[in-house]
Amino acid sequence: NAGVTQTPKFRVLKTGQSMTLLCAQDMNHEYMYWYRQDPGMGLRLIHYSVGEGTTAKGEVPDGYNVSRLKKQNFLLGLESAAPSQTSVYFCASKEGGEQYFGPGTRLTVT
Amino acid sequence: LAKTTQPISMDSYEGQEVNITCSHNNIATNDYITWYQQFPSQGPRFIIQGYKTKVTNEVASLFIPADRKSSTLSLPRVSLSDTAVYYCLVGPFMNTGFQKLVFGTGTRLLVSP
Repeated sequence: NAGVTQTPKFRVLKTGQSMTLLCAQDMNHEYMYWYRQDPGMGLRLIHYSVGEGTTAKGEVPDGYNVSRLKKQNFLLGLESAAPSQTSVYFCASKEGGEQYFGPGTRLTVT
Repeated sequence: LAKTTQPISMDSYEGQEVNITCSHNNIATNDYITWYQQFPSQGPRFIIQGYKTKVTNEVASLFIPADRKSSTLSLPRVSLSDTAVYYCLVGPFMNTGFQKLVFGTGTRLLVSP
């Protein structure tokens, strides 16, 4: 049981490039989330999903898109990366009242 | 969601008990208090959750007074590995359904030898 995994762990992008972050969970959870964490700050919700085929906006959705084609996977896309999107990205899934977080992806946009 | 206030940082030594207090004056009747722990370069991890009085598990205790306007996370006999950021969150306990977590800046605990 791997829990929540994220791919890649690190990535450097140039402004304007695109990329997709992959989150996978093997716990059969319905709810999945994408957060970003900037230095010295708490986590902020980008998008979330309440089940396969559904997505919804969180607090800071601009510049990101998501897809949940399979229950176990939640993808976060950046169509045209900007330096303001330099951050650490965390994925989470939920069971009961507890969220389980992945190890994070550190993204730098130059 | 109720706003929370907790100390920015705390220092302790190995073997001591650490108490981190969180203030949440506007807590609602159906709100629960939840604590998460985050180590450097890792995602947050659930520690404990409670509604009132005292809750204890294998890693921590949570004390909630009758008015529920504050709560205290107690870590017994800390070790170096307890150095982390601790987040206090207040909101409805959603056993089912969408749950929104609002993370503040947390309390940075540094445990020294």
